[in-house]
Amino acid sequence: AQSVTQLDSQVPVFEEAPVELRCNYSSSVSVYLFWYVQYPNQGLQLLLKYLSGSTLVESINGFEAEFNKSQTSFHLRKPSVHISDTAEYFCAVSRRGGAQKLVFGQGTRLTINP
Amino acid sequence: GAGVSQSPRYKVAKRGQDVALRCDPISGHVSLFWYQQALGQGPEFLTYFQNEAQLDKSGLPSDRFFAERPEGSVSTLKIQRTQQEDSAVYLCASSLSGTDTQYFGPGTRLTVL
Repeated sequence: AQSVTQLDSQVPVFEEAPVELRCNYSSSVSVYLFWYVQYPNQGLQLLLKYLSGSTLVESINGFEAEFNKSQTSFHLRKPSVHISDTAEYFCAVSRRGGAQKLVFGQGTRLTINP
Repeated sequence: GAGVSQSPRYKVAKRGQDVALRCDPISGHVSLFWYQQALGQGPEFLTYFQNEAQLDKSGLPSDRFFAERPEGSVSTLKIQRTQQEDSAVYLCASSLSGTDTQYFGPGTRLTVL
């Protein structure tokens, strides 16, 4: 079985400041890793994912995450946040091979202050 | 090019009532997933279909929960004799296959009084 821990339930930052949202996972098998974002009053959207290859993956809106196998982490970072990044962020894993049912963390609410 | 749609968006039920939640996946998507998201929590897996076959129902919390996808497209999640602990947002997701990116619908918020 897999489990995901998001260490921070809320992260307040000022606009244009850097941010890191932490995610650690536990699994006895190899996994794929995902970050989903939920903007206010909208559904979950895939932000980025790690399947294989380069351990650093990027999204189109400036977020990046790095898969660290030894630390079983997949932290999400952005060097400079905008008001529009205000949302809830969910880290998720799924088992390699087989159906991709996702196991989610509890979410981190990112609040951007002007 | 519609995404995943769910109906109703909001449902209020009295304890003991039966409810049915509908999911329309993206056309051509073979795989369909249901998740339950309690307030302040991440989504939790309920069940998975590949076409009309229900391949995994390990996440259904009790035998009051039943899901079907009879023609391999639209899916219905039914909850019988609703209880207050069933109050949550029910999310549906579809993907081209079981290993592809899942696209989520807006969810149905169920409140049981």
